[in-house]
Amino acid sequence: DAGVIQSPRHEVTEMGQEVTLRCKPISGHDYLFWYRQTMMRGLELLIYFNNNVPIDDSGMPEDRFSAKMPNASFSTLKIQPSEPRDSAVYFCASSLKGYYYTGELFFGEGSRLTVL
Amino acid sequence: AQSVTQLDSHVSVSEGTPVLLRCNYSSSYSPSLFWYVQHPNKGLQLLLKYTSAATLVKGINGFEAEFKKSETSFHLTKPSAHMSDAAEYFCVVSGAINAGNMLTFGGGTRLMVKP
Repeated sequence: DAGVIQSPRHEVTEMGQEVTLRCKPISGHDYLFWYRQTMMRGLELLIYFNNNVPIDDSGMPEDRFSAKMPNASFSTLKIQPSEPRDSAVYFCASSLKGYYYTGELFFGEGSRLTVL
Repeated sequence: AQSVTQLDSHVSVSEGTPVLLRCNYSSSYSPSLFWYVQHPNKGLQLLLKYTSAATLVKGINGFEAEFKKSETSFHLTKPSAHMSDAAEYFCVVSGAINAGNMLTFGGGTRLMVKP
């Protein structure tokens, strides 16, 4: 399997622009997670889905952030409008049921976002 | 609720010397505990896991961790550091099934290995 695939790997944009990050989970996985990593705040869970349904979005910073999972093989994280403080590495991870026991989250390589 | 504290944000060792990365946890339930590793510009990868079986667990690349309930600790060790071990390491605790976000990540420890 190719693993979790994220795109783009790097994105540089200007404040106010819309940013869309994409994720393809591992086939057969029924959980999908979006994390954000910064030096100041470490790794933060933004939202997670189970069988394409958002379960907990309490980590989404504000209404500028939205996430969708239209089908089992694709998810997006959108920021509109973007701000410099959104600069971070955004990770997507997928897993099977029971990840809370096995600890097995499979992470993509991340999308590094820079907002100027 | 559960929480995890990694006691050192940075650890520096010389190649060939032992590694100790410290982790303390708090949980209202019998936790499962994990260590993840993140190499530069890469995603996180599961290194090892404790799930209430043997208290000493072995992971990849020679790493081990010991679950000590009395000390609420799950420290990560390796007898001899290699240059390729330079990375960031995260201690993770899981809670009960009905605890919402069930994996809680520590703040990370950056391991530097000197030649």
